[in-house]
Amino acid sequence: KAGVTQTPRYLIKTRGQQVTLSCSPISGHRSVSWYQQTPGQGLQFLFEYFSETQRNKGNFPGRFSGRQFSNSRSEMNVSTLELGDSALYLCASSLGTSGVYQETQYFGPGTRLLVL
Amino acid sequence: AQSVTQLGSHVSVSEGALVLLRCNYSSSVPPYLFWYVQYPNQGLQLLLKYTTGATLVKGINGFEAEFKKSETSFHLTKPSAHMSDAAEYFCAVRGNTGGGNKLTFGTGTQLKVEL
Repeated sequence: KAGVTQTPRYLIKTRGQQVTLSCSPISGHRSVSWYQQTPGQGLQFLFEYFSETQRNKGNFPGRFSGRQFSNSRSEMNVSTLELGDSALYLCASSLGTSGVYQETQYFGPGTRLLVL
Repeated sequence: AQSVTQLGSHVSVSEGALVLLRCNYSSSVPPYLFWYVQYPNQGLQLLLKYTTGATLVKGINGFEAEFKKSETSFHLTKPSAHMSDAAEYFCAVRGNTGGGNKLTFGTGTQLKVEL
C-alpha cells in the first residue's frame, strides 16, 4: 500500500497570504489528523477528521481550518499567515475504527511552510 | 489530560553501546503509549506502542520499551546502537477515553551515535 502523501512538500508564502495543504491517507483509512511541528513548540495537534466531520480540535486560532472529502483526503487551510506559522505540517492517517485509541497513526513526510 | 516528559533533549552514545531514552507520562486514565522516530526531512515512523497486555514491547530496528505503571515510565532501549539510529525520537501518549485520535507528544530526544 502507498503511504500517506502530502502536497506540496515545500511552500514559501508572505505574511497575510493564505495557504492550503493537502493530505491523501493510506487507502482504507478514514481518520486524518494534522499536527504542527516547530522548534519552539514541538509537535502540536491541530485537528482530526473522520468521515468528513471534525472529531477533535487542538488549541489553535480560527485561522487554522480543515476539511475532509468523501474519499478521506483532507486539506488544511491557514488564512492571514503570520511569521509564527512557519513550521512543518504533518498529516497522519489511521483506520478510525471503534478501537481508535489503540490505533497506529501513520505519518506523511510533511509540508514545510516558510512565511516571510 | 495526558502529557509526557522526555528527559534529555540530546543523548550521545558510542556505536555498539546501550541506548536508553527516557519517557515519563502523566495520565488520569490508563494510557496508550507510543515511540516514534523522525529522520531529517522526514515524517514520523512508529517504533513501537503499548496498549494493553505485555508490558515489555518489542519494536522495529531492535528497539524495545517497558511500561512501568508504578514509575509512570515508558523508556526506550536498544542493546547496541548503530550509526543509522541517529535521529530524533518522540514519546507520545493517548488516553483511552475521549480525545479521539489526538496524540500528545514529548519534546523529543535527539540521539547522536559516535564511532
